[in-house]
Amino acid sequence: AQTVTQSQPEMSVQEAETVTLSCTYDTSESDYYLFWYKQPPSRQMILVIRQEAYKQQNATENRFSVNFQKAAKSFSLKISDSQLGDAAMYFCAQGGADGLTFGKGTHLIIQP
Amino acid sequence: GAVVSQHPSRVICKSGTSVKIECRSLDFQATTMFWYRQFPKQSLMLMATSNEGSKATYEQGVEKDKFLINHASLTLSTLTVTSAHPEDSSFYICSAEQWRGNGYTFGSGTRLTVV
Repeated sequence: AQTVTQSQPEMSVQEAETVTLSCTYDTSESDYYLFWYKQPPSRQMILVIRQEAYKQQNATENRFSVNFQKAAKSFSLKISDSQLGDAAMYFCAQGGADGLTFGKGTHLIIQP
Repeated sequence: GAVVSQHPSRVICKSGTSVKIECRSLDFQATTMFWYRQFPKQSLMLMATSNEGSKATYEQGVEKDKFLINHASLTLSTLTVTSAHPEDSSFYICSAEQWRGNGYTFGSGTRLTVV
C-alpha cells in the first residue's frame, strides 16, 4: 500500500517570501512519479510540478522547485517569491500504475 | 495540453434518484480513467479505476452497485450514482493520464448534493 504524508495542515507566508511545503511518502514500487497539485477555491486540480523517481536531479518550474530525497522518501515543494495567486490547497501525490495517492493537503495562505 | 471535460459541474437531486457524471478526454485517448471523491476540507480518495472495454475496479469500501462506471470508448467514461442518498453528497472528480508520468489531468469536478 502507498501512503503520502503532509504534516503541515496550514502554512502562512508573506508575499514575495519563500515557503517550503513538506511531504513524505512510502511505496514498494520501483517505478513511480511524484507530483504536487494545487487546488484553488474553484477546486480545479492544477499540476504544479512532477518528478520522476529515477531522476536524481530535482525538478524546477519557474518559481516552484522540489527537494527530492529518494532514500528518505521525502519530496518537499519550495515556492519562491510567493504571490497572492499561490494561495490554495497543495496536495502531494505519488503516482504508480494504479492512479494517484494523495496526502491530506496543506492550506497555503499568502499574507499581503 | 491534455484536457478532460467533466459534466455537470453541479447537480442537485432527490434522494433515491440516479445521477450520471461524464468525463471526456478531449485531445487524447484515455484507456484508463480514475474517479475520485473529495469531501469538504479533505483530500481526494480514489474510488475506482475505469478501463476502456473492461470492468471497472473499485477500491475497498466502495459499493460497485451504487457507483456504476462505464468506459464505453477511449474518450468517454461515466459514473452513475444510483439510488443516491444525502451521504453521497460530495465532490466527484475524474482524471486521466495522457502518457505515463506526464501528470494526471483532472476534470473540473462535479458537486453533487442529494436532498
